[in-house]
Amino acid sequence: NAGVTQTPKFRILKIGQSMTLQCTQDMNHNYMYWYRQDPGMGLKLIYYSVGAGITDKGEVPNGYNVSRSTTEDFPLRLELAAPSQTSVYFCASSTPQSGSGAIQYFGAGTRLSVL
Amino acid sequence: DQQVKQNSPSLSVQEGRISILNCDYTNSMFDYFLWYKKYPAEGPTFLISISSIKDKNEDGRFTVFLNKSAKHLSLHIVPSQPGDSAVYFCAALNSGGYQKVTFGTGTKLQVIP
Repeated sequence: NAGVTQTPKFRILKIGQSMTLQCTQDMNHNYMYWYRQDPGMGLKLIYYSVGAGITDKGEVPNGYNVSRSTTEDFPLRLELAAPSQTSVYFCASSTPQSGSGAIQYFGAGTRLSVL
Repeated sequence: DQQVKQNSPSLSVQEGRISILNCDYTNSMFDYFLWYKKYPAEGPTFLISISSIKDKNEDGRFTVFLNKSAKHLSLHIVPSQPGDSAVYFCAALNSGGYQKVTFGTGTKLQVIP
């Protein structure tokens, strides 16, 4: 059981380049999330999706785009990479549970450096 | 505006002793709280949770206490083991919405053998 898989694990980008961080889950979860974690900081929500075709902005969406064409995949797109986007990116998924908090399952992360 | 705060960036504890990690929140709409554990180069993994209708939840060596009036929760680990050395994130959400989770900044726990 793979859970949440993120690729690549590491990437170095030049300023202005673009890239897509891939995320796929095999747990048939409806909800998926993208977070970034900067040094000494908690996880900040970039975008989330509550199902295929439905996405919404989180706390720090500027500079990013997402799409959700299938239940399994939730790619994160950086169009014009900037040094401020140097971070560790985590994808997560969950199944909503009424009246309680759904446990999120995380991928191993993508460490991105923009130079 | 940091709605979930973990004021201790790090904590060192001797093996076998109790570890107490603290978390404060400001948003009264939060009604569900979770603790995640993170090892280096891995994603966070769920540890334990508590609903706002309870004041305590226990799972083996891990216990979470919630004080709603003080908007404070704590994670107790007894006895602490070297394998518990990790970063612990407190998280909170409003279970009635899209379940967007707000995370604290984390506390790095080191358990000394």
